[in-house]
Amino acid sequence: GQNIDQPTEMTATEGAIVQINCTYQTSGFNGLFWYQQHAGEAPTFLSYNVLDGLEEKGRFSSFLSRSKGYSYLLLKELQMKDSASYLCAVVDSNYQLIWGAGTKLIIKP
Amino acid sequence: DVKVTQSSRYLVKRTGEKVFLECVQDMDHENMFWYRQDPGLGLRLIYFSYDVKMKEKGDIPEGYSVSREKKERFSLILESASTNQTSMYLCASSLWTQTNTGELFFGEGSRLTVL
Repeated sequence: GQNIDQPTEMTATEGAIVQINCTYQTSGFNGLFWYQQHAGEAPTFLSYNVLDGLEEKGRFSSFLSRSKGYSYLLLKELQMKDSASYLCAVVDSNYQLIWGAGTKLIIKP
Repeated sequence: DVKVTQSSRYLVKRTGEKVFLECVQDMDHENMFWYRQDPGLGLRLIYFSYDVKMKEKGDIPEGYSVSREKKERFSLILESASTNQTSMYLCASSLWTQTNTGELFFGEGSRLTVL
């Protein structure tokens, strides 16, 4: 079967750095998305990776290793507003999106 | 600003009632999707549509139907609501790409409670 694994919950301190991991086992791979979802709100797009390596976008970076079936989202200089759930999703060989259950990130002052 | 609007944020219905969830997007997107989101589970695709009057089953279509009469509107219908359909329903849209790698734009969700 197809599977996306993310930690259920993480806690970090304001101003620090946190890395949210996502591992996947899917039938094929056509890219990986990260979305952010604040409580009670719509998910919003953060990043899309299809090639190996790190892509940086301001305080957020996303890394992909296709050979390891692994991605991470790196958040720097954490702010209270970064408290949210982070959803990992993979596009499989049938071009369908497979979603992880999400990681709830709690930022403490 | 791009927008996906879902008609109701909160609904409470009784078992057996017919429920309509409406979704409208103003971005001229070809693709529209209905997901449900439950605690501890990833988003699960109910139905999607790549064009007007076109619909495809997702992973969990049982108990649901959809309608897309106009490009901007995608409706989810629960013919006879059951308690196990209590959930958060998310509508999304995206531009069509051959590899389905377009960014999804989500509505704010409709939280349905079936008593």
